[in-house]
Amino acid sequence: GENVEQHPSTLSVQEGDSAVIKCTYSDSASNYFPWYKQELGKGPQLIIDIRSNVGEKKDQRIAVTLNKTAKHFSLHITETQPEDSAVYFCAVTHGGPGTASKLTFGTGTRLQVTL
Amino acid sequence: EAQVTQNPRYLITVTGKKLTVTCSQNMNHEYMSWYRQDPGLGLRQIYYSMNVEVTDKGDVPEGYKVSRKEKRNFPLILESPSPNQTSLYFCASSLSGYRNEQFFGPGTRLTVL
Repeated sequence: GENVEQHPSTLSVQEGDSAVIKCTYSDSASNYFPWYKQELGKGPQLIIDIRSNVGEKKDQRIAVTLNKTAKHFSLHITETQPEDSAVYFCAVTHGGPGTASKLTFGTGTRLQVTL
Repeated sequence: EAQVTQNPRYLITVTGKKLTVTCSQNMNHEYMSWYRQDPGLGLRQIYYSMNVEVTDKGDVPEGYKVSRKEKRNFPLILESPSPNQTSLYFCASSLSGYRNEQFFGPGTRLTVL
């Protein structure tokens, strides 16, 4: 099955700095790569995703890059703010729309943005 | 408001006492699933359902049961809970399959003594 590794497990940055979280996966057939943010006491929430036909995607201060050859993808958060403090999960899936493919999550990164 | 609801939010029980955690979504989603979250292990899928009356095992199905008799509900059943099932449980739904955004419920923290 799919194996997803996520690093680092914890990350502390100063407000205004950038944060980068990286995930690697094993199945070259994987084609959908979402990132979820989990705030304290809440369920994970999708913040950005990328599909295998795209190398990079941006949404304001958040960006995701995908390197299919190396089988890794990264989450970039620029100009970090205290409200970015949360646990971030990468995930990987493969299969066509509506098919019974699997969504495998990374182990999570706890991001702390300090003042 | 579009949402996934879970009940109860917190539960402390004893070994062997059957329990059910309910999950309901109001978005007419076809796909629903259950995850457990444990420190250092991330989110692991327990069971999923592609549609009504269609369920299948995820990565860690042992000790759990599910049913999908209605589109909106997907209860998780622990017939004989054990301490290793102490965890944080999340229900999620999506329009169809895993290439769509998963909407997660608020979580159920279960402690089995």
